Amino acid sequence: LAKTTQPISMDSYEGQEVNITCSHNNIATNDYITWYQQFPSQGPRFIIQGYKTKVTNEVASLFIPADRKSSTLSLPRVSLSDTAVYYCLVGDMGSSASKIIFGSGTRLSIRP
Amino acid sequence: KAGVTQTPRYLIKTRGQQVTLSCSPISGHRSVSWYQQTPGQGLQFLFEYFSETQRNKGNFPGRFSGRQFSNSRSEMNVSTLELGDSALYLCASSRGTSGGAGSYNEQFFGPGTRLTVL
Repeated sequence: LAKTTQPISMDSYEGQEVNITCSHNNIATNDYITWYQQFPSQGPRFIIQGYKTKVTNEVASLFIPADRKSSTLSLPRVSLSDTAVYYCLVGDMGSSASKIIFGSGTRLSIRP
Repeated sequence: KAGVTQTPRYLIKTRGQQVTLSCSPISGHRSVSWYQQTPGQGLQFLFEYFSETQRNKGNFPGRFSGRQFSNSRSEMNVSTLELGDSALYLCASSRGTSGGAGSYNEQFFGPGTRLTVL
């Protein structure tokens, strides 16, 4: 299972674009990259998932370079409500939950 | 459709007692997984149940156990509670089966049960 490394914390301001980078040097061929968001006293919530290049949905974009050894979660025009912990997960998540390992996450703080 | 529900939301126990937590998955989901979250250790996988069978188990002592019923509801039990068991216990449900290449078995988390051991 690939280990991930991401910044412990980040600060930004409302209306800014925030990019959180995750390193996963030992990513395997079958591994996907998935990001979760967690608010205090709530369970994590799926944000986005990708395998290579770029994926975009209504809340975020995920950029994955060709070597797949890192990935960047991009949150456009953040608001105060985006203050949360963001987890980068790497693994073959086709079936079993045991392959999901949550790292320390990045604590994102958004200021007015 | 209704999300994952967990009961109770908060619980206070004393050392040596045992506790049972309950999780109701999203309708149609056959996999239920349990996680422990603490400030020091982060979010750690406890075990996963699929079709009433434990499919995988994390690195936790035998005091932590669980089961799944035929309706996919799951319970988690912790016996002989220790102070270090104080944590947020999260349950997540998923389809539990791969949809083929490129599919993702998304985990849907419940709000958790906050357990405090005194």
